[in-house]
Amino acid sequence: DGGITQSPKYLFRKEGQNVTLSCEQNLNHDAMYWYRQDPGQGLRLIYYSQIVNDFQKGDIAEGYSVSREKKESFPLTVTSAQKNPTAFYLCASSLTGGTGELFFGEGSRLTVL
Amino acid sequence: RKEVEQDPGPFNVPEGATVAFNCTYSNSASQSFFWYRQDCRKEPKLLMSVYSSGNEDGRFTAQLNRASQYISLLIRDSKLSDSATYLCAVNSGYALNFGKGTSLLVTP
Repeated sequence: DGGITQSPKYLFRKEGQNVTLSCEQNLNHDAMYWYRQDPGQGLRLIYYSQIVNDFQKGDIAEGYSVSREKKESFPLTVTSAQKNPTAFYLCASSLTGGTGELFFGEGSRLTVL
Repeated sequence: RKEVEQDPGPFNVPEGATVAFNCTYSNSASQSFFWYRQDCRKEPKLLMSVYSSGNEDGRFTAQLNRASQYISLLIRDSKLSDSATYLCAVNSGYALNFGKGTSLLVTP
């Protein structure tokens, strides 16, 4: 089945450790996105990528890094510089960036102890 | 002013009721509008796109008012299974901006 796969679904880390969240899609979509969701905060855009080898900062990029070496993959690293990393992280893709609807993965729930 | 705003609710309605949500947006250049449904601790799923002419999908009707910069979602004959959070999304540049969501609880 086509879709977006995020892993791991749940992740616990100690403060100060970097963690990488995986996002893979087989929808042949050009654009991919990372959002963060906190209770009562809605979805906030971290990074997005419209094409391979290109990505742009969203509204809350500080403390995060991404890469887009393959069309199918858009991993997100939560670095130790992120002050409040505990959150629900959602990866999404769209056929083309801009006006299209987004399809989401099941999310990764990160808890920093 | 926030880019996309929604009344957080919660909206508590009995089964069979009609309920409407509004969502306002600030970017007059926005071209794409969507309603997503999100169940507790799950990912958002597309409910419907919102077109200028309005659109209907079964019990759900979405409308766009460009002059006043808001979109609406109407749910008729509410079911228990409609209980969820409803997020509106509006494009801004190359991504979608989401509202914080409106919580709906349909009770027996």
